[in-house]
Amino acid sequence: RKEVEQDPGPFNVPEGATVAFNCTYSNSASQSFFWYRQDCRKEPKLLMSVYSSGNEDGRFTAQLNRASQYISLLIRDSKLSDSATYLCVVTPRGGSQGNLIFGKGTKLSVKP
Amino acid sequence: GAGVSQTPSNKVTEKGKYVELRCDPISGHTALYWYRQSLGQGPEFLIYFQGTGAADDSGLPNDRFFAVRPEGSVSTLKIQRTERGDSAVYLCASSLGLASGELFFGEGSRLTVL
Repeated sequence: RKEVEQDPGPFNVPEGATVAFNCTYSNSASQSFFWYRQDCRKEPKLLMSVYSSGNEDGRFTAQLNRASQYISLLIRDSKLSDSATYLCVVTPRGGSQGNLIFGKGTKLSVKP
Repeated sequence: GAGVSQTPSNKVTEKGKYVELRCDPISGHTALYWYRQSLGQGPEFLIYFQGTGAADDSGLPNDRFFAVRPEGSVSTLKIQRTERGDSAVYLCASSLGLASGELFFGEGSRLTVL
C-alpha cells in the first residue's frame, strides 16, 4: 500500500461547482498534513495546512480524520483558475521532518 | 525577493554521462530539499540539508546520486553514469526551518537521458 493515496482524477467540473478530494495515508503515526497545488509544468506551492479541528481559507476547507487516516479538501464555487493538480502531503512522526511524502495528486479541470 | 533558483532548467544528456544540477535557495532559509518528479507522479523525496549537513539522504536511489551544500547555501545534486530511468524533473525547495511544512520550490531542472 502506498504511503499516501489519492484519486488521480481528472475531476471535470463546471464553474461554480463544489468539488471534494480525498486522500488516505498509511502511517498512523503521521504528524503533519498539507495540501499543495501544482499548475501544469510548474512547481508545487503550499495551498494550506490541515489541522485536526479542520480549517477553512476562503473557498477552501480542509479536514483531517486521524482515526480513519483520511484527509479531505473541499473547494466551493469553483473558478477557472482553480484548475490544477492538488497534492496531498504527509510528514511522518519519528521520521525526519524534512521528508515530506507527496501523493500522486488529483487533477482538477474547471470548465466555463 | 528572489525565489529558489535552479539551473539548468533543461538538460539533455547521453546515458553514462555525469550531470550536475544546481540550486540557489531563498536567502536565509536554512533547510534545503531535493525531490524528483516523474510524469504523472507526485514529488519523490531524495535528500534534505539542515545547514551544511545532509540531515536525511534516505531517498537517494543509489550511490550514483550525491548532493552537497558546502557553505550552507547553494546546493549541487550530482548524478554519475546517468541512466534513462533518471529522466525526471528535479525539484529543489527551501524553507526557514523544518517544522512549518511550507516548502518553497524552484521551477525545477528537467533532465532527459537519451
